[in-house]
Amino acid sequence: AQSVTQPDIHITVSEGASLELRCNYSYGATPYLFWYVQSPGQGLQLLLKYFSGDTLVQGIKGFEAEFKRSQSSFNLRKPSVHWSDAAEYFCAVGNTDKLIFGTGTRLQVFP
Amino acid sequence: GAVVSQHPSWVICKSGTSVKIECRSLDFQATTMFWYRQFPKQSLMLMATSNEGSKATYEQGVEKDKFLINHASLTLSTLTVTSAHPEDSSFYICSASLFDGLYEQYFGPGTRLTVT
Repeated sequence: AQSVTQPDIHITVSEGASLELRCNYSYGATPYLFWYVQSPGQGLQLLLKYFSGDTLVQGIKGFEAEFKRSQSSFNLRKPSVHWSDAAEYFCAVGNTDKLIFGTGTRLQVFP
Repeated sequence: GAVVSQHPSWVICKSGTSVKIECRSLDFQATTMFWYRQFPKQSLMLMATSNEGSKATYEQGVEKDKFLINHASLTLSTLTVTSAHPEDSSFYICSASLFDGLYEQYFGPGTRLTVT
């Protein structure tokens, strides 16, 4: 079955600290992988995506993610978190016609 | 580029009435649009996929007669919640697909529906 697991429902970090959000997937074919961010009352904004090639993907706002096929993971990282990064983060896997989303990780940032 | 809008952003309606939500791709033509539903603190669940000029394809468990989807043009898709009930209250998000080497979905800001 196709699925996405985000094990951490809620993460709290201090501003300036590093961040890693976990994402594991189950998918029958070569996956296309995405990370989206959703701020309160806002739509989803694409942070980064992986289709093929280099397994370390750079995105917007200083985020990066690494695709590890052996671990079926696509974890999101940021070396130094800013207060404005507080939001809900969704990992998604899919192909051209359907995306499957994880349940999201809520990031809280303390000053 | 690749901006998707939704209207209204927030709507309150009485139980038993119908409400229409519009999804527009502002600066591109979208062959395919998607409708999602998001419950509080939960993930997005795909409701249906609509292709311009064709009937929508609904996901299992989604009532076709309750959630009417029309994709009349390459830039507009509408979702009509018919005979709304309080349990239909939710956040509805649309996305539009754009081909840029591969198809990607661009999401609208969502519509908060409250049924009283």
